[in-house]
Amino acid sequence: AQSVTQPDIHITVSEGASLELRCNYSYGATPYLFWYVQSPGQGLQLLLKYFSGDTLVQGIKGFEAEFKRSQSSFNLRKPSVHWSDAAEYFCAVGARQAGTALIFGKGTTLSVSS
Amino acid sequence: KAGVTQTPRYLIKTRGQQVTLSCSPISGHRSVSWYQQTPGQGLQFLFEYFSETQRNKGNFPGRFSGRQFSNSRSEMNVSTLELGDSALYLCASSLAGDTDTQYFGPGTRLTVL
Repeated sequence: AQSVTQPDIHITVSEGASLELRCNYSYGATPYLFWYVQSPGQGLQLLLKYFSGDTLVQGIKGFEAEFKRSQSSFNLRKPSVHWSDAAEYFCAVGARQAGTALIFGKGTTLSVSS
Repeated sequence: KAGVTQTPRYLIKTRGQQVTLSCSPISGHRSVSWYQQTPGQGLQFLFEYFSETQRNKGNFPGRFSGRQFSNSRSEMNVSTLELGDSALYLCASSLAGDTDTQYFGPGTRLTVL
């Protein structure tokens, strides 16, 4: 079955500390991978995406993610977290065959402490 | 460029009623997809419309339907509402669908009493 797992429901990080959010996927076809962020009362904003090529992907707001096919993972990282990064983060997987139908993980809520 | 807009932002209905939600995509975008977001099930794909045709459909009952107009605006309709239909309904637009980047609207929060 196709699925996306985000093992951490909630993470708290100190401002200025580094961040890593985990994402594992199970998908039959060659996957396209995405990270979205959702602030309260807002829709989803795309942080970055991986389709092919370099497995280290740079995104907006200083985020990056690394695709590891052998581990079926696509973890999101940021070297120094800002208070404004507090939000819910979603990993998603898609494929050319699936068109716009993305499968999302359940999300990780990030809290930033001062 | 204006983003994706959804109306209304909040809606309260009672069981058995029907509801229509509206989505205006980014200018020039021809694909509109709909997602349901609930605390229990998370984000789930409902359907995609492109050039007024449903191109893809998720695993939802027939009570959930949609349409797209010639200006790419889309509506989704839920008939015979159930308590479990309470959710945030998100619309996303993209240039041509497929794997194009999807831009999400703020959503419509539907509460069914």
